[in-house]
Amino acid sequence: DAGVIQSPRHEVTEMGQEVTLRCKPISGHNSLFWYRQTMMRGLELLIYFNNNVPIDDSGMPEDRFSAKMPNASFSTLKIQPSEPRDSAVYFCASSDTGNTIYFGEGSWLTVV
Amino acid sequence: DQQVKQNSPSLSVQEGRISILNCDYTNSMFDYFLWYKKYPAEGPTFLISISSIKDKNEDGRFTVFLNKSAKHLSLHIVPSQPGDSAVYFCAFRSNDYKLSFGAGTTVTVRA
Repeated sequence: DAGVIQSPRHEVTEMGQEVTLRCKPISGHNSLFWYRQTMMRGLELLIYFNNNVPIDDSGMPEDRFSAKMPNASFSTLKIQPSEPRDSAVYFCASSDTGNTIYFGEGSWLTVV
Repeated sequence: DQQVKQNSPSLSVQEGRISILNCDYTNSMFDYFLWYKKYPAEGPTFLISISSIKDKNEDGRFTVFLNKSAKHLSLHIVPSQPGDSAVYFCAFRSNDYKLSFGAGTTVTVRA
């Protein structure tokens, strides 16, 4: 079974550039999460979608971050403009409203 | 997340011995508790869970204990194996389906 698929796996970009991270959740899952992992803050929830609708975006750090879920099989997390402090691993995860969420392998972002 | 504390950043254990990982929480609304395991360059993978109506759940070498009065969650791995070397995160769910994660404990199993 295909798990959560994220792209790109690695991205190195210059400060000020736009970054778009992509996610395909597990088929049939109706909840999607974007998490960010850093050394300082660990795993933090950025935004949570249910049935393609953003339910909680309180974790989105600032207006430079935006997320969309145009359909049940695709979501994007965009950073514009990117800054060096955005360097982190970004995880997408999905759930079928059960108790367990399943993570992708992450997108490793470096902003120089 | 300040509601979850995973105070031990690392743990080293001899192969064959028991590994014990601990988390404390403050939010009494948490109703489901999970442990995730993470290898380098991979996403966290679900390991074991327990609901708030139980105090113990066992799956092979892994046992999770929940002490609701103390707001304490633990994971026991016995016997520990070299393949268990990874980062372990405790996670807590409240009724809005969000998971709050601990900071992680890096477990190293020595051969």
